[in-house]
Amino acid sequence: AQSVTQLDSHVSVSEGTPVLLRCNYSSSYSPSLFWYVQHPNKGLQLLLKYTSAATLVKGINGFEAEFKKSETSFHLTKPSAHMSDAAEYFCVVSGNAGNMLTFGGGTRLMVKP
Amino acid sequence: DGGITQSPKYLFRKEGQNVTLSCEQNLNHDAMYWYRQDPGQGLRLIYYSQIVNDFQKGDIAEGYSVSREKKESFPLTVTSAQKNPTAFYLCASKDRGHSGANVLTFGAGSRLTVL
Repeated sequence: AQSVTQLDSHVSVSEGTPVLLRCNYSSSYSPSLFWYVQHPNKGLQLLLKYTSAATLVKGINGFEAEFKKSETSFHLTKPSAHMSDAAEYFCVVSGNAGNMLTFGGGTRLMVKP
Repeated sequence: DGGITQSPKYLFRKEGQNVTLSCEQNLNHDAMYWYRQDPGQGLRLIYYSQIVNDFQKGDIAEGYSVSREKKESFPLTVTSAQKNPTAFYLCASKDRGHSGANVLTFGAGSRLTVL
């Protein structure tokens, strides 16, 4: 069985300040982990993925995430928020035999001017 | 450009009617998926298909049906048996040849509202 928990349903930051979106996972297998971003009424776009290579993963738009096996975490960070980062973010785990994906509940990021 | 096209973008339905949501991809991907999105609940898998003429139920298949007669097409029918069909529906695809990456490509979604 696998599951993913996004610890915050809403995060609000000021433009230019750091972003931290938290994600914890559980998996019986060695997991692959992903972060997707969704702007309003749009589909999901891949930000970054971890597939058992380097534990610090860099993605698009200045985002990065660190895989920490001991903490079963895959938190998403960005040093400086931009207004265009306002969106919903999904943490996703894939670690079962069928390679099926399990989505977290999402974190809505709000960026204040 | 390659991608996934979902239509219609917005759809209104009266109770008791069946509706079909279209999903077409020109990525030559083998696997296709339908997800339902409700506020605060993330994405839940309705049906998926890994190859033409074959599909499997996901976590919330009741009240839905699909077909996969062509590689590029995976339409979803929301039947009158679905008790609460108002939601945002997302179609996605994946190239089975790159299973190690396991990356989904998503369409822009279809928003269904039952009046």
